[in-house]
Amino acid sequence: RKEVEQDPGPFNVPEGATVAFNCTYSNSASQSFFWYRQDCRKEPKLLMSVYSSGNEDGRFTAQLNRASQYISLLIRDSKLSDSATYLCVVNGGEYGNKLVFGAGTILRVKS
Amino acid sequence: DTGVSQNPRHKITKRGQNVTFRCDPISEHNRLYWYRQTLGQGPEFLTYFQNEAQLEKSRLLSDRFSAERPKGSFSTLEIQRTEQGDSAMYLCASSLSNTEAFFGQGTRLTVV
Repeated sequence: RKEVEQDPGPFNVPEGATVAFNCTYSNSASQSFFWYRQDCRKEPKLLMSVYSSGNEDGRFTAQLNRASQYISLLIRDSKLSDSATYLCVVNGGEYGNKLVFGAGTILRVKS
Repeated sequence: DTGVSQNPRHKITKRGQNVTFRCDPISEHNRLYWYRQTLGQGPEFLTYFQNEAQLEKSRLLSDRFSAERPKGSFSTLEIQRTEQGDSAMYLCASSLSNTEAFFGQGTRLTVV
């Protein structure tokens, strides 16, 4: 089993749609969770940290379920500019201080 | 520009040659990470430093790879006797202890 697993995608959605990505992690002692966004041939950029209580940043909502070892990212009112690869990232526990990345989920928003 | 800086941005080398990449982290960041990414995959951990100490190194990293951060500021990643399988994007990131990490634009290595 991979340490961090994500929906493979690609997700092809129309503008204005709501789309959700899921991520599961294998290390129950993980402590920090993030979503990064990566555009084609660019570096990953932090989208948002994921807190135990869930958190929202504009059109983006992240949720954490520690019991199920599950993280989600919800994007509302999708924009063309949201098209990218979304990377789920886990840190802590037996991973120590390194960031462990999922393979990413590709999102394509079409007009 | 106060972000993470990597040089060179692109490197083409012949198989068997040695290459060295440089990373300049955000100045106040004490942690520095090296990752490798190939097409369709997420970044794969190589090694990380806390200040000048190399605290962890991936088991996937062969003896041909070495990294240094001599004064706790910039870091270098050297690959000796390059192989075609080393072709990838090499990403550097920095952070303040357990906060989020910020990535440089990467060095794209092509081994021919």
